[in-house]
Amino acid sequence: EAGVAQSPRYKIIEKRQSVAFWCNPISGHATLYWYQQILGQGPKLLIQFQNNGVVDDSQLPKDRFSAERLKGVDSTLKIQPAKLEDSAVYLCASSPVRTSGRGRNEQFFGPGTRLTVL
Amino acid sequence: GNSVTQMEGPVTLSEEAFLTINCTYTATGYPSLFWYVQYPGEGLQLLLKATKADDKGSNKGFEATYRKETTSFHLEKGSVQVSDSAVYFCALKGYGNKLVFGAGTILRVKS
Repeated sequence: EAGVAQSPRYKIIEKRQSVAFWCNPISGHATLYWYQQILGQGPKLLIQFQNNGVVDDSQLPKDRFSAERLKGVDSTLKIQPAKLEDSAVYLCASSPVRTSGRGRNEQFFGPGTRLTVL
Repeated sequence: GNSVTQMEGPVTLSEEAFLTINCTYTATGYPSLFWYVQYPGEGLQLLLKATKADDKGSNKGFEATYRKETTSFHLEKGSVQVSDSAVYFCALKGYGNKLVFGAGTILRVKS
């Protein structure tokens, strides 16, 4: 079974530029997550999709970050304009079931995109 | 809100030494608890989990017991190998399938 795919793996941009990351979840997984992992910290959830609808985006900086999941499969995360503090690894994860209830199902993580903002 | 605190690293051990990485949590209700591992250049992988009090999760020689009375989920391994060198994250999941991670602990094992 193919895992979660992400691209690019690395990206270097200057502040105030725009950048986009792409994620392809495991086939059939209804739920998709984007996390931000700053160096020395644990991953922090930015946004959670259930199919193509947003379940939780409470920690997404909406003035500069946006995300979409067209057709409930692939997803893109965009930053416009980027700031120095956006330097981090952006992780995508997917899980197979609905988010209602306790949701004990495992999240499968992609390799991440390492963003450096200069 | 929910939070996870784990011991700071890096933890440096010799091969075959005993490993303990402490993890404590604060949560409402009855969360599930997890340990994830991140090897250099790779994504997060689930190492083990426990879904209720007194459950013991185990995998690849690692184990952790869900202790509700002390709100802890310490990771242990009896004999570490160089290949265990990685970053270990403790995490909890409450309502809505939302994972909350600790800051991570770097483990370095020397031969």
